[in-house]
Amino acid sequence: NAGVTQTPKFQVLKTGQSMTLQCAQDMNHEYMSWYRQDPGMGLRLIHYSVGAGITDQGEVPNGYNVSRSTTEDFPLRLLSAAPSQTSVYFCASSLTSSVNTEAFFGQGTRLTVV
Amino acid sequence: DAKTTQPNSMESNEEEPVHLPCNHSTISGTDYIHWYRQLPSQGPEYVIHGLTSNVNNRMASLAIAEDRKSSTLILHRATLRDAAVYYCILRDARNRDDKIIFGKGTRLHILP
Repeated sequence: NAGVTQTPKFQVLKTGQSMTLQCAQDMNHEYMSWYRQDPGMGLRLIHYSVGAGITDQGEVPNGYNVSRSTTEDFPLRLLSAAPSQTSVYFCASSLTSSVNTEAFFGQGTRLTVV
Repeated sequence: DAKTTQPNSMESNEEEPVHLPCNHSTISGTDYIHWYRQLPSQGPEYVIHGLTSNVNNRMASLAIAEDRKSSTLILHRATLRDAAVYYCILRDARNRDDKIIFGKGTRLHILP
């Protein structure tokens, strides 16, 4: 199993550009989520999905779109990048949203918006 | 949301036990206590979780106070690789889609 795979690992964008951060898991997990982590801070939840076709907003959803057309993939889209979106982004998955399951995290995507 | 309080940072010597405290005085009866850690330049990884009883696994032990208002993550013999930020998180079993909400955690430094 590869676990949770995020691509790319690093990205530099110009203000106003769009891009998609990819996240894929091969564990047949229902629940997937995206977080961002700014320097010296904990992780903040952006969006999450409890299964294919279902998504919902987290703590900081503004400026980001998600969709979940398959169980395996949960891409995060930035439609018009802003410097405030410079951050490290982590994708996570778990078997279900039950509190008795553990979450698995990807290695992160470091995004810089100039 | 029930919240947790952790020290900002702690130090410990290599090969000694480490006790990482977490206060959660407003915990509800359906809150599970979860611990995750984040090694430098990596994504978080699950450590352990429990509800009322103490829990052990290959990574650590979780000691939960009888009144559940606090808990302690125990690393039995710290190594340099255990230097990380440790997050104590409450997750409510009443919520069908309960989310993992991170605080700032405790940064653990291991001294060789």
